[in-house]
Amino acid sequence: GQNIDQPTEMTATEGAIVQINCTYQTSGFNGLFWYQQHAGEAPTFLSYNVLDGLEEKGRFSSFLSRSKGYSYLLLKELQMKDSASYLCAVTDSNYQLIWGAGTKLIIKP
Amino acid sequence: SQTIHQWPATLVQPVGSPLSLECTVEGTSNPNLYWYRQAAGRGLQLLFYSVGIGQISSEVPQNLSASRPQDRQFILSSKKLLLSDSGFYLCAWSVGGRHTGELFFGEGSRLTVL
Repeated sequence: GQNIDQPTEMTATEGAIVQINCTYQTSGFNGLFWYQQHAGEAPTFLSYNVLDGLEEKGRFSSFLSRSKGYSYLLLKELQMKDSASYLCAVTDSNYQLIWGAGTKLIIKP
Repeated sequence: SQTIHQWPATLVQPVGSPLSLECTVEGTSNPNLYWYRQAAGRGLQLLFYSVGIGQISSEVPQNLSASRPQDRQFILSSKKLLLSDSGFYLCAWSVGGRHTGELFFGEGSRLTVL
């Protein structure tokens, strides 16, 4: 079966750095997405990785290792508004998006 | 710029009643359209997707149906709601003709079936 694993919940301090991990087992791979979802709202796109390595976009970076079936989302200089769920999703060989259950990130002052 | 709207935002319906959620996209042509359901603590579940008018693919057999009467309109329906239909429903679009484009989501519709 196809599976995306990410921690259920993480806690971090305002101003700090946090890394949210995602591992996947899918039938093929055609890219990995990270989305941010605030409580009660729709997900919004953060990043897309299809090749190995690090993609940096402001305070957020996303890393991919296809050989390890592994990705992480790195959030720097955390702000209270970063409190949200972070969803990892993988496009499989049939170009279907497989979603993880999301990681709820709690930021404390 | 492209926008997506879905409505209603919230609704409370009795078991056995019908359902209609509507979604429209503006500012783009021939988009891929999707209906997802999100249950608490679980990943997004794809219900239906469409690559063109009248073309609907169903991912999960159930008492829901979808229709695409116009290029940028996507409707989710049910004739008789079940308690298990409660959840957060999300409409989304992506650029047509591409397999790996990012998804743009509507505001979501929270359905409670009593």
